[in-house]
Amino acid sequence: GQQVMQIPQYQHVQEGEDFTTYCNSSTTLSNIQWYKQRPGGHPVFLIQLVKSGEVKKQKRLTFQFGEAKKNSSLHITATQTTDVGTYFCAGDNQGGKLIFGQGTELSVKP
Amino acid sequence: DGGITQSPKYLFRKEGQNVTLSCEQNLNHDAMYWYRQDPGQGLRLIYYSQIVNDFQKGDIAEGYSVSREKKESFPLTVTSAQKNPTAFYLCASSIWGTGGDTQYFGPGTRLTVL
Repeated sequence: GQQVMQIPQYQHVQEGEDFTTYCNSSTTLSNIQWYKQRPGGHPVFLIQLVKSGEVKKQKRLTFQFGEAKKNSSLHITATQTTDVGTYFCAGDNQGGKLIFGQGTELSVKP
Repeated sequence: DGGITQSPKYLFRKEGQNVTLSCEQNLNHDAMYWYRQDPGQGLRLIYYSQIVNDFQKGDIAEGYSVSREKKESFPLTVTSAQKNPTAFYLCASSIWGTGGDTQYFGPGTRLTVL
């Protein structure tokens, strides 16, 4: 079946350093979504990418969708302690459900 | 105040007992989902429903059951057949149930089976 792999599983950074998480699908995706889950909380939608090669920015967060629509990345510039949490990508398998990656847990040392 | 509610936040049960987790939404969404989250394993889909009185098995449906008698409600029963039920359970909903929908999550129920 379709799989969505996400790396790294954990990332520890010093505040101010950059952070990137990568997402790869075994099949072509029609779109990809990114969610953030704060410690002890629930996933919250961040953004959706639909077009091949699409790049979207939200303040210090940059999201990219690969040309082949099989991979995506989330890059955070100059991390802050408020960025702490687990970031999930989720791909659309066109069957009415999202396939979530395993998530990347980000910790930020002040 | 619109959203998804799950109760209770923490639930403790003895081994061998069935337990039902509630999920209610007032977003008028057609689709609802149940996920299980274990450390380091992300979100795994248990069941989902795209319309009232219909639901589909997800990737890890064994030992679980659901019902969708009302659009607003999608309760999950963790049965005694579930081998390792201790986990964090998340309910979500989306407008139509197509893969492109944004999913809105409830606060979750942390189930501990003793």
